Amino acid sequence: DQQVKQNSPSLSVQEGRISILNCDYTNSMFDYFLWYKKYPAEGPTFLISISSIKDKNEDGRFTVFLNKSAKHLSLHIVPSQPGDSAVYFCAASPRLGGSEKLVFGKGTKLTVNP
Amino acid sequence: DAGVIQSPRHEVTEMGQEVTLRCKPISGHNSLFWYRQTMMRGLELLIYFNNNVPIDDSGMPEDRFSAKMPNASFSTLKIQPSEPRDSAVYFCASSLPGLAGRTDTQYFGPGTRLTVL
Repeated sequence: DQQVKQNSPSLSVQEGRISILNCDYTNSMFDYFLWYKKYPAEGPTFLISISSIKDKNEDGRFTVFLNKSAKHLSLHIVPSQPGDSAVYFCAASPRLGGSEKLVFGKGTKLTVNP
Repeated sequence: DAGVIQSPRHEVTEMGQEVTLRCKPISGHNSLFWYRQTMMRGLELLIYFNNNVPIDDSGMPEDRFSAKMPNASFSTLKIQPSEPRDSAVYFCASSLPGLAGRTDTQYFGPGTRLTVL
């Protein structure tokens, strides 16, 4: 049973437009959420995170929104660039419970077309 | 900063053979994680260590899998005997200690692509 779900396996957007990647979770114990980005033949790299005490966190072109009541988070990339083309993983952790575990979604492959 | 180092990068072996994957975490990181990525299951945690001690191995698929961390700078993941369904990319990650013992960002190695024929 997947606790973190990324229901869109792929997403294609035009350069300069907004990319919105979505993630849903089922475990109410999750209180810390992260997005990782992965290029082919490389390991995932950390992109941005958000704690459950916030509903928004912004870092340059990347913004993560958290809706705790809906158990939903999203990653917005504005403006999208061809170099953003990668697989994006959503991850969640029950960090306040003292665990270091991350539970990952299956990923969404983003393609930004020039 | 060399990052997390994994070896080998690619491994092709025959069913029934023993496979050993190696990981060197980032110096100073005290937590180490082993993940497996497959198309069907995505990225799943197999086991993680804190200060060289296994903390959670609930993700280890079966007794054929074992992991060790003999010191702070080295860990191995062993599969014996290997089976075709073990074919996947195996990632190692490490992290720093965080506030009140909770860790923060995990840094991943480049992965080992394992193919079992």
